[in-house]
Amino acid sequence: DAGITQSPRHKVTETGTPVTLRCHQTENHRYMYWYRQDPGHGLRLIHYSYGVKDTDKGEVSDGYSVSRSKTEDFLLTLESATSSQTSVYFCAIRSGVRGGRDSHLFGSPLHFGNGTRLTVT
Amino acid sequence: GESVGLHLPTLSVQEGDNSIINCAYSNSASDYFIWYKQESGKGPQFIIDIRSNMDKRQGQRVTVLLNKTVKHLSLQIAATQPGDSAVYFCAETPLLNDYKLSFGAGTTVTVRA
Repeated sequence: DAGITQSPRHKVTETGTPVTLRCHQTENHRYMYWYRQDPGHGLRLIHYSYGVKDTDKGEVSDGYSVSRSKTEDFLLTLESATSSQTSVYFCAIRSGVRGGRDSHLFGSPLHFGNGTRLTVT
Repeated sequence: GESVGLHLPTLSVQEGDNSIINCAYSNSASDYFIWYKQESGKGPQFIIDIRSNMDKRQGQRVTVLLNKTVKHLSLQIAATQPGDSAVYFCAETPLLNDYKLSFGAGTTVTVRA
């Protein structure tokens, strides 16, 4: 599992409540990502981080926020959960340096945790 | 829009046979490609990757082929085993945006005994 722990593994929550998912890594990797996986859509990027306190939006970031105060932890928060956010959420990590045609970067694929299954009722 | 996709959603293979999983991509700027395997209840697991300056790369029992002319990627699994039953995803990223992988929807491979 590449030293990635996601918590909780399962959660059921009600519409309108805030929810925070945690990703913890022991690899000291610079890059961390949050994806959601839904039938028919594959994996879609929510937010990612390229360093402590450095984050950016992915393709489906609306309704989500993230924080990274330490290298090892990347938190995903649903400010006010909606039923459309029922999904399986995966955290991923990646080593490497940012930008440019860098062979080291291309040799560092994402490694995923085992996911958090979130149900919003 | 540009996307990554797999040709077939499901593939049934006899144990011991070779499997071929296909993936088409439309982003002409794609420069790095990865195959992942996902078993039920688990996260995607890295299998093999290839860069656009290569057309073939081999791993243990797996081979990835890249045809940039027709924007096609394939994963070949030799002597398919029951443990190969899983969903397989291809993913791609362009040179200038290389840490934002785009994933296909996946092919479910079932190995028959």
